[in-house]
Amino acid sequence: NAGVTQTPKFQVLKTGQSMTLQCAQDMNHNSMYWYRQDPGMGLRLIYYSASEGTTDKGEVPNGYNVSRLNKREFSLRLESAAPSQTSVYFCASSEAGNGGYNEQFFGPGTRLTVL
Amino acid sequence: QQQVKQSPQSLIVQKGGISIINCAYENTAFDYFPWYQQFPGKGPALLIAIRPDVSEKKEGRFTISFNKSAKQFSLHIMDSQPGDSATYFCAAGYGGSQGNLIFGKGTKLSVKP
Repeated sequence: NAGVTQTPKFQVLKTGQSMTLQCAQDMNHNSMYWYRQDPGMGLRLIYYSASEGTTDKGEVPNGYNVSRLNKREFSLRLESAAPSQTSVYFCASSEAGNGGYNEQFFGPGTRLTVL
Repeated sequence: QQQVKQSPQSLIVQKGGISIINCAYENTAFDYFPWYQQFPGKGPALLIAIRPDVSEKKEGRFTISFNKSAKQFSLHIMDSQPGDSATYFCAAGYGGSQGNLIFGKGTKLSVKP
């Protein structure tokens, strides 16, 4: 039981490049989330998915797209990376949305630098 | 914009002392108030959580105190240990049907030996 896994762990991009961050969970959770963490800013929600096939914007969605590929996987795409997107990205999942409890389980994070 | 305000930003405590972190929320409909602990290079992990039907919840050395009328809650770490040195985040949201949590900006705790 791996919990929430994220790939890659580290990534360096040049401005304008694109990339996809991958996230998968093996806990059969309905809800999945993408956050970014910046110094002094806490965790800010980018996008979330309450169930397979649905996605919604969070607090800071600009410059990002997401895909809920199936119940296990939720990916985050940067179409044209900008230095302001340098951050640590966390994926999380929970049972919320199906009568379940809202404890969110976090992955280990992806550290992204955009030059 | 709903916010959760967390203080202090950083905290230094001697080993054996009490660490106290405070949070305030705005939305009176929130019914779930968790605290997360994050070690450097790791993802946040749930430490302890409370629902508003109780005023206090204790798990080992960690206690949440909840004041519904003041819309405030706090984390108390008794007999603080160097291993407790981490960043702590409070959050507020809905426990069941709606999964989003609003996080505070975090408190970096350092426990000196």
